[in-house]
Amino acid sequence: AQKVTQAQTEISVVEKEDVTLDCVYETRDTTYYLFWYKQPPSGELVFLIRRNSFDEQNEISGRYSWNFQKSTSSFNFTITASQVVDSAVYFCALSEPGGGSQGNLIFGKGTKLSVKP
Amino acid sequence: GAVVSQHPSRVICKSGTSVKIECRSLDFQATTMFWYRQFPKQSLMLMATSNEGSKATYEQGVEKDKFLINHASLTLSTLTVTSAHPEDSSFYICSARYYEQFFGPGTRLTVL
Repeated sequence: AQKVTQAQTEISVVEKEDVTLDCVYETRDTTYYLFWYKQPPSGELVFLIRRNSFDEQNEISGRYSWNFQKSTSSFNFTITASQVVDSAVYFCALSEPGGGSQGNLIFGKGTKLSVKP
Repeated sequence: GAVVSQHPSRVICKSGTSVKIECRSLDFQATTMFWYRQFPKQSLMLMATSNEGSKATYEQGVEKDKFLINHASLTLSTLTVTSAHPEDSSFYICSARYYEQFFGPGTRLTVL
C-alpha cells in the first residue's frame, strides 16, 4: 500500500537552530516520485522539491537540504539556521502508482514547524 | 512559473445552500485538475480528479452528487458543494497538472 508517514506532528525550535523533518514512505512501485511542500498560515501550498526514485543524490538549495535514502525509505528535509519565516506546516508526498511525477499525490499528515525568535 | 488561482478565497454560507468554487490555471492549459479537501490540522485528502471534457473520477467515500465537478475548458474546473451542511466546512484546494501539480491558494468554506 502507498503510504507516507511524518511521525513528527509539531516541532518548535529557536531561530538559527537546525531542524530536520522526517518522512518515511511505503510503495510497491520501483519508479516513483517524492515531494516536499510548505504550507504557510495563508494556506497556499508551496512546492519545494521533487525527487525521482532513481536519483539518490542529496540536494541542497540554500538553507534547505534533502536526504533521500532508498534503503530506509526515507526522504528527510533539513532546514539550516532556521528563521521565523520558516514557520509553516510541511508536507511530504508520494506519487501514486503509475502516475509518474504528474499523477495524484499521497500526502503525509504534515509537520508543523514553529520557529521562535 | 505556473500559476493556479481559486475563487473565492473564503466563503460563508447558510446550511442548505450551494457554493461554487472556481479553479483556474492562469498561464498554462491543464488537461487534469485535482480537488483536495483539508480539515483543520489535517493532511490533504484527494476528493476527485477532473479531466477536461469528461466526467470526474471521485475517490472512494466522496459523494459525486454532493460535490459536482465540471471541467469545461483547459483552464477552468469548478467544484460545487450542493446543499451544504456544517460538516462540509473545510479548506478546499485545487491543483492543475502541467508536467507536475501546481496548487491553488485554497478556498475556506464555512457553512453555518
